[in-house]
Amino acid sequence: RKEVEQDPGPFNVPEGATVAFNCTYSNSASQSFFWYRQDCRKEPKLLMSVYSSGNEDGRFTAQLNRASQYISLLIRDSKLSDSATYLCVVKRQAGTALIFGKGTTLSVSS
Amino acid sequence: GAGVSQSPSNKVTEKGKDVELRCDPISGHTALYWYRQSLGQGLEFLIYFQGNSAPDKSGLPSDRFSAERTGGSVSTLTIQRTQQEDSAVYLCASSFAGNTEAFFGQGTRLTVV
Repeated sequence: RKEVEQDPGPFNVPEGATVAFNCTYSNSASQSFFWYRQDCRKEPKLLMSVYSSGNEDGRFTAQLNRASQYISLLIRDSKLSDSATYLCVVKRQAGTALIFGKGTTLSVSS
Repeated sequence: GAGVSQSPSNKVTEKGKDVELRCDPISGHTALYWYRQSLGQGLEFLIYFQGNSAPDKSGLPSDRFSAERTGGSVSTLTIQRTQQEDSAVYLCASSFAGNTEAFFGQGTRLTVV
């Protein structure tokens, strides 16, 4: 079983739609969680960190369920510019590497 | 520069040759990561350096791969006797210690012919 698993998609949605991505991780000792975004042929960039109590940044909401080892990302009112691959990222503990999921591809159309 | 710098941006090499890929992290960042990404695939962890600690080499796919980080700054990833399956984009990232954001360089696209 891979350490971080995501539904690869693609998710094809119209502008204005709400879309949710899920991610599961296998190592219960994992301490930090992130969502990164990667545009085609570009390097990944941090979208948002994921906190235990859940957190929101504009149209984006991230949730963490430690008991189920599950992370989610909700995008409301999708924009064309949201089209990208969204990477779920887990850090086992301080002083260890970031482990990336394979990513979920989102395509928003007009 | 302000960001993570990688060189070369593109490298074409013949099968069997050795290659060196360079990464200049953001000044002050103590953590440095190497990943590779094959076409249409996710990021595969290769190696992680944190300060003066022993590097985490658990992701290196074979003994043909090695990496160094000199003086806690610049890192070099070396691939010996390259194979066609080594063709990928090699990405370097750096961060402060702890659970903080990692910043990526633009990568080195390696093609083995």
